[in-house]
Amino acid sequence: DAGITQSPRHKVTETGTPVTLRCHQTENHRYMYWYRQDPGHGLRLIHYSYGVKDTDKGEVSDGYSVSRSKTEDFLLTLESATSSQTSVYFCAISEAGLAYEQYFGPGTRLTVT
Amino acid sequence: AQKITQTQPGMFVQEKEAVTLDCTYDTSDPSYGLFWYKQPSSGEMIFLIYQGSYDQQNATEGRYSLNFQKARKSANLVISASQLGDSAMYFCAMREGNSGYALNFGKGTSLLVTP
Repeated sequence: DAGITQSPRHKVTETGTPVTLRCHQTENHRYMYWYRQDPGHGLRLIHYSYGVKDTDKGEVSDGYSVSRSKTEDFLLTLESATSSQTSVYFCAISEAGLAYEQYFGPGTRLTVT
Repeated sequence: AQKITQTQPGMFVQEKEAVTLDCTYDTSDPSYGLFWYKQPSSGEMIFLIYQGSYDQQNATEGRYSLNFQKARKSANLVISASQLGDSAMYFCAMREGNSGYALNFGKGTSLLVTP
């Protein structure tokens, strides 16, 4: 199994509070991704990173920011959580190129009340 | 516009039978990759199989094969000899060269294998 962990695994927070989710990898892969999974939508890309301090937006980036100060860590921040951000969040890693498999972390279930 | 379409929200198959899960895709990029992932009720995403746009032969991995019809832009997953443990959500996904090689996912197909 690829060495990829997410923390926390579960979190309940209140509307308006900031939340940070952490993704940590031990594979030294260049690319890291944050997706969210909602019923009826599959997985949708929030942000991705193609190197330290190099990040870009995905399909559903509004309300989220990311940072990557080290190869192994990719942080997702909800500056002011809203109920629409209740979701399961997956981190993934891969090497560059079309053929490389994308490895997923175990997911974080976030509930915003 | 939806790049990956999975038209079967739910499927049933009897144990030991074969089943085909449909996936169509849309891209104008000549170079792309197609993936299938399995998500059991425990929630993890498990990679099953990969097909490159330039691959001449259909990909196979054990009981999984990908029926790749490039002209029709379809990449159907075939599971042979279904097992109870195959009951799960199945996602088709496509990777292009943009967006950092991120995956575009379909909405998934829920497969239930019955005894």
